[in-house]
Amino acid sequence: NAGVTQTPKFRILKIGQSMTLQCTQDMNHNYMYWYRQDPGMGLKLIYYSVGAGITDKGEVPNGYNVSRSTTEDFPLRLELAAPSQTSVYFCASRLTGADEQFFGPGTRLTVL
Amino acid sequence: GQQLNQSPQSMFIQEGEDVSMNCTSSSIFNTWLWYKQDPGEGPVLLIALYKAGELTSNGRLTAQFGITRKDSFLNISASIPSDVGIYFCAGKEVQGAQKLVFGQGTRLTINP
Repeated sequence: NAGVTQTPKFRILKIGQSMTLQCTQDMNHNYMYWYRQDPGMGLKLIYYSVGAGITDKGEVPNGYNVSRSTTEDFPLRLELAAPSQTSVYFCASRLTGADEQFFGPGTRLTVL
Repeated sequence: GQQLNQSPQSMFIQEGEDVSMNCTSSSIFNTWLWYKQDPGEGPVLLIALYKAGELTSNGRLTAQFGITRKDSFLNISASIPSDVGIYFCAGKEVQGAQKLVFGQGTRLTINP
């Protein structure tokens, strides 16, 4: 199993540009999550999904959108990039009934 | 939203020293998890705790679920260079909760 994979690893955007951060897991996990990690701030939940076709907002959803058309994929979309979205983004997944979340390696995004 | 207060925020120690860090909450938690994040990677689960008073070890790591259910502790004995990283506590407030709450992290630096 590759686990949770994320692409790209790094990206620089200009203000106002859009992009999609990709996340795929091959563990057949129903639950998937998107977090952002700012320096010294821990992990903040952006969006999560309990299964294909179902998504819900987390703590900091503004400026982001998600979709979950398959069990494996959970892309995160930034429509109008802003400097405040400069961060490291982590995708995670878990099995129904389990507590452990498995994390991807992250995407480091800079918005200039 | 709910926040976990993790301390200390950073630690600078000599190789071979023991390390202690803790996490507190203003509300009762049902589950406590401790993660480690290596530089440039996503967090990886170290220890999971499910009962008040529970003490669980994983090699040189020992974690405890506080009796009040509002705190948890992680100890690392005889630190080695590969212990360097950021340690996160995470908690689940109620049974079956879909989300975890994360602490801000403790950054551990070790001088050889």
